[in-house]
Amino acid sequence: ETGVTQSPTHLIKTRGQQVTLRCSSQSGHNTVSWYQQALGQGPQFIFQYYREEENGRGNFPPRFSGLQFPNYSSELNVNALELDDSALYLCASSSNRVGTEAFFGQGTRLTVV
Amino acid sequence: KQEVTQIPAALSVPEGENLVLNCSFTDSAIYNLQWFRQDPGKGLTSLLLIQSSQREQTSGRLNASLDKSSGRSTLYIAASQPGDSATYLCAVPDNYGQNFVFGPGTRLSVLP
Repeated sequence: ETGVTQSPTHLIKTRGQQVTLRCSSQSGHNTVSWYQQALGQGPQFIFQYYREEENGRGNFPPRFSGLQFPNYSSELNVNALELDDSALYLCASSSNRVGTEAFFGQGTRLTVV
Repeated sequence: KQEVTQIPAALSVPEGENLVLNCSFTDSAIYNLQWFRQDPGKGLTSLLLIQSSQREQTSGRLNASLDKSSGRSTLYIAASQPGDSATYLCAVPDNYGQNFVFGPGTRLSVLP
């Protein structure tokens, strides 16, 4: 048990809709990163939040956006859902010190139909 | 741009065997390397974190080594058990030192 919790665990949405995924970071961690994992592939970095500010972004379009709250929990929002957005979305919690260990939540399985 | 590969893509072994999973990365200027386990449809469980100054780390039946100069890491699993069946992923921080670049994983099946 890592202390990183994600909700919901599973979600089915229709193409064109919007979705919000949530992540609670581990106690003492001020950095949250989001990853997308397609079936059979390694996770791909979406973006990172540190102290409520975006602190880096991967190769994802602007319809992927996020927030981090004062308690360091975070949201991932995806607008105008596409079929290819179907994936496991993972949240990772860490302290913003280089070389520290990252801990992942159990993920949210998003299916777009 | 950092790239990570893992060999083999899949591995099936009988229970009790010792086995080695391989991870390679293109940019040797890394802060650390982390090995994860992933059960089907689940999140990632951290197994071992090796700092760039270390050559290996051990946890129970798992031993991970790191050779920065050659851009390689290995995960050694001793006396494999059916409960070890999972996908094993290695990851290194990107050039900014914090976000991970993952390999595609090695899918391990340990047969009873």
